[in-house]
Amino acid sequence: GAVVSQHPSRVICKSGTSVKIECRSLDFQATTMFWYRQFPKQSLMLMATSNEGSKATYEQGVEKDKFLINHASLTLSTLTVTSAHPEDSSFYICSPGSDTDTQYFGPGTRLTVL
Amino acid sequence: GNSVTQMEGPVTLSEEAFLTINCTYTATGYPSLFWYVQYPGEGLQLLLKATKADDKGSNKGFEATYRKETTSFHLEKGSVQVSDSAVYFCALSLNQAGTALIFGKGTTLSVSS
Repeated sequence: GAVVSQHPSRVICKSGTSVKIECRSLDFQATTMFWYRQFPKQSLMLMATSNEGSKATYEQGVEKDKFLINHASLTLSTLTVTSAHPEDSSFYICSPGSDTDTQYFGPGTRLTVL
Repeated sequence: GNSVTQMEGPVTLSEEAFLTINCTYTATGYPSLFWYVQYPGEGLQLLLKATKADDKGSNKGFEATYRKETTSFHLEKGSVQVSDSAVYFCALSLNQAGTALIFGKGTTLSVSS
């Protein structure tokens, strides 16, 4: 299966700061990247879909100015949580789009905002 | 709309017990169906999948059959182990380029020895 990495795996930050999460697809080129958020004991909720070289598409209720997504290359997409607040504490997961019916997921980044 | 519904957890079983986690879906067209597993502290891993009606996906002793008539994809295992303790997610794909998976809420399985 595809190898997807995320960095960092865990991050703790103070309220008001910004945090950048990197997602890399290590063995294939991803023209599309899905970003999910998972709150404790809940399912994955799609936040946004990014396409290489163009603007991301955000799901309803997700603030595009708060969650900045950059998909500058076919192997790297980044999610920046700007001016983070405690309610942004969550598990963030990326998933490259696939031409097959199977999607692969990064290991996730646990963000804790104090 | 398109959605996935799976049974509420947590499910608590003794080792070697039979497991069933129910999953039903609503979708247009001909979706593919998946079960993903998330072990404590880890990311999601594909457990099994089925791409058309009557297909059976299987892996590591787990099975699920794509039932179009009942719009279901129930996960079963004949004898669970402690190492199966995890969160299990049922999901569907609409098989449209550029669309993400749709997940159920997840079911936590806890197996004790």
